[in-house]
Amino acid sequence: EVQLVGSGGGLVQPGGSLRLSCGASGFTFSSFWMDWVRQAPGKGLEWVANINQDGSEKYYVDSVKGRFTISRDNAKNSLYLQMNSLRVEDSAVYYCSRELGTPWGQGTMVTVSS
Amino acid sequence: DIQMTQSPSSLSASVGDRVIINCRASQGIRNDVGWYQQKPGKAPKRLIYAASSLQSGVPSRFSGSGSGTEFTLTISSLQPEDFATYYCLQYNSYPRTFGQGTKVEIK
Repeated sequence: EVQLVGSGGGLVQPGGSLRLSCGASGFTFSSFWMDWVRQAPGKGLEWVANINQDGSEKYYVDSVKGRFTISRDNAKNSLYLQMNSLRVEDSAVYYCSRELGTPWGQGTMVTVSS
Repeated sequence: DIQMTQSPSSLSASVGDRVIINCRASQGIRNDVGWYQQKPGKAPKRLIYAASSLQSGVPSRFSGSGSGTEFTLTISSLQPEDFATYYCLQYNSYPRTFGQGTKVEIK
């Protein structure tokens, strides 16, 4: 079964850090771009970042540039999002996705609060 | 950044109705548009890609059209399982941007 499973979310104080992970199975992970998308409570979808197959190209939404880093480990079939200098407005469910197509992960909740 | 203006923000419809949702891009984006369905507490599901191509496994009552700046998602005969929120997405340029969403509710 083609599947993505996200993990790593939790409660963190403003200014803190968190690393999200997304494990892939059922497909050749190294052949696809991968994306992160987030959704604040009760709000719409916001694209966050993506990365190409070998990790040499990365793109970010302006609001996270310089604070978030997307990466991948093709040997471990895993995608990551390192989030530093977290702000209250970063609170959201974070989804990983294969090329914004199918599949998507189940989402992992990040809450930034003091 | 390319803005995707989606309308309406919500609508009420009955089972069997034809439903049309629109998205307007702030500049020409060829046909680089996808449409997504999201149910509460669930991840989005892509219905349409390249403006009019039906995602594998998606019922044929869903269709997409448009090119350039104007795009439409049509549900030809609304079914009970279609009550959800729908989003358009442009992937022509970075950053990728979603429309604000359209909540389809039961009339």
